[in-house]
Amino acid sequence: DGGITQSPKYLFRKEGQNVTLSCEQNLNHDAMYWYRQDPGQGLRLIYYSQIVNDFQKGDIAEGYSVSREKKESFPLTVTSAQKNPTAFYLCASRARVPNEKLFFGSGTQLSVL
Amino acid sequence: GENVEQHPSTLSVQEGDSAVIKCTYSDSASNYFPWYKQELGKRPQLIIDIRSNVGEKKDQRIAVTLNKTAKHFSLHITETQPEDSAVYFCAALRLRGATNKLIFGTGTLLAVQP
Repeated sequence: DGGITQSPKYLFRKEGQNVTLSCEQNLNHDAMYWYRQDPGQGLRLIYYSQIVNDFQKGDIAEGYSVSREKKESFPLTVTSAQKNPTAFYLCASRARVPNEKLFFGSGTQLSVL
Repeated sequence: GENVEQHPSTLSVQEGDSAVIKCTYSDSASNYFPWYKQELGKRPQLIIDIRSNVGEKKDQRIAVTLNKTAKHFSLHITETQPEDSAVYFCAALRLRGATNKLIFGTGTLLAVQP
């Protein structure tokens, strides 16, 4: 799991501002995922991508956008349309079948100023 | 849609006792079930996983059991130690098909009292 790097570790957003969270992996994994974690709650899927230039909405995609221009990178933008963005954001990646194991980055804590 | 229910939400045990966490999944096509341990402020770490063609898997003090008929799987930790204290998440994944997304349970906060 050391092959997935998220930055920054802490991020602050002002009202009406878009912010982008970075996720880079050097594991040569095809699939990448973004999860949101609220205090005391589980992991909810925001977006995922199984191959370059393709991505699908998860369960809570509203107010977020992603891109997958390179295999190694899957940035997440939290737009001003996301009214409650304060949360811990986790990026993860997985190789194709049969290696199903999901590896997580170290997370980004996003807070609203 | 797909759903994974996890119980209990909190669990407190004495050091040396066993702990059991249970999960139920809704998608009968799910065929891979991992368990993750997350310490405060850290990333989730995979501790054990099981595929649907296996009923039980053990790794030292940790074991997972799967009942496909009931769509139910459990994590068993024996001889608990204070360092086992963390939040544990179960998850379910359908490895084949158009979508390969891992659905997580809501987590169990395990506290091991010395």
